[in-house]
Amino acid sequence: AQSVTQLDSHVSVSEGTPVLLRCNYSSSYSPSLFWYVQHPNKGLQLLLKYTSAATLVKGINGFEAEFKKSETSFHLTKPSAHMSDAAEYFCVFTGGFKTIFGAGTRLFVKA
Amino acid sequence: EADIYQTPRYLVIGTGKKITLECSQTMGHDKMYWYQQDPGMELHLIHYSYGVNSTEKGDLSSESTVSRIRTEHFPLTLESARPSHTSQYLCASSAGTSGGAGEQYFGPGTRLTVT
Repeated sequence: AQSVTQLDSHVSVSEGTPVLLRCNYSSSYSPSLFWYVQHPNKGLQLLLKYTSAATLVKGINGFEAEFKKSETSFHLTKPSAHMSDAAEYFCVFTGGFKTIFGAGTRLFVKA
Repeated sequence: EADIYQTPRYLVIGTGKKITLECSQTMGHDKMYWYQQDPGMELHLIHYSYGVNSTEKGDLSSESTVSRIRTEHFPLTLESARPSHTSQYLCASSAGTSGGAGEQYFGPGTRLTVT
């Protein structure tokens, strides 16, 4: 069975420090993986996607993620957090006719 | 900016009323989805459609119904609203060529409160 696990429900960082949001998946299919961001009272916006091309994926707003098949991971990173990055982040898996959302990670950014 | 629209953005309604949440997209996508999201919680798929006259129930049981008479339009209806229906409803569409593959474009959501 396919599944997506976001390992942290909350992450808190200081402005200017690196961000790491962790996502693991489980699937017997070749997955497509996405990261979405949701700001308060807004819809979801695509940050980046992996669809079996380059394993290091660059997205918008300085975010990137690396697909590691051996670790079944797709962690989201950013070198330097900005206050505007504070939001909810969802890791999403599609494969085998299923789309599965992770539970979300809320990122707090301290001044 | 994705061309997918939801109306109303906010709705407060009394118990027992019939409501329809509108969702439209101008991207010509075949696949459309409805998700329910409680505050601070994950998204749950409640309905999806792979094209005109195609509708399926999602992973989370819902008392709502949907229709897909036109490609661009995917309304969700609650025949008799209850307080347990209070939630945020997000509509999405995708042009995935197989199954669920492909990125989804999301509307801004409708925040429904049933009193």
